[in-house]
Amino acid sequence: KNEVEQSPQNLTAQEGEFITINCSYSVGISALHWLQQHPGGGIVSLFMLSSGKKKHGRLIATINIQEKHSSLHITASHPRDSAVYICAVRFGGATNKLIFGTGTLLAVQP
Amino acid sequence: GAVVSQHPSWVICKSGTSVKIECRSLDFQATTMFWYRQFPKQSLMLMATSNEGSKATYEQGVEKDKFLINHASLTLSTLTVTSAHPEDSSFYICSAIGLAVDTQYFGPGTRLTVL
Repeated sequence: KNEVEQSPQNLTAQEGEFITINCSYSVGISALHWLQQHPGGGIVSLFMLSSGKKKHGRLIATINIQEKHSSLHITASHPRDSAVYICAVRFGGATNKLIFGTGTLLAVQP
Repeated sequence: GAVVSQHPSWVICKSGTSVKIECRSLDFQATTMFWYRQFPKQSLMLMATSNEGSKATYEQGVEKDKFLINHASLTLSTLTVTSAHPEDSSFYICSAIGLAVDTQYFGPGTRLTVL
């Protein structure tokens, strides 16, 4: 069982729709990352969270430490948002390793 | 923001040859670098963690003699795939942590195809 679960695995939306991608993890963490990977492979780090909420442009990321859950929201979605969105967590302790979710493939249709 | 570069972005080589991939942190000192590989439609798999000036720590199942990692400076790490075989064909991604340990940056990846 993956320690980091994402849902949905695939998501198709119409341009302009509000999108939510969810991430749940099993034990306490020190940090959670939301990453974006476009076709062709390059990974962009969108957010790093340890608590609360962050906003950057049309993207909003929230985390609930007690519920071990994070969400990534995209407002006014656009076809250029089409990508794989990956949740990755760093568990507490000495390790710097990230554990990755399986990703959510988002397709935004015009 | 901070930038991590990789070179080359893609490489095609013959079976049996060695390929070196460079990972550079362009505007920060990377105390720790990570090397990942990714197969199509799969998530990233950590291969090894390297700290500047010390030997890399390899994940279970990753052959250290096949995937040579050198982290000689705070801005450069290299991954050498020795005696490459077609099954080594993959997307290799490096990532770096700066002095602010919770901030991790990813390189654009290198696509290796071994014929």
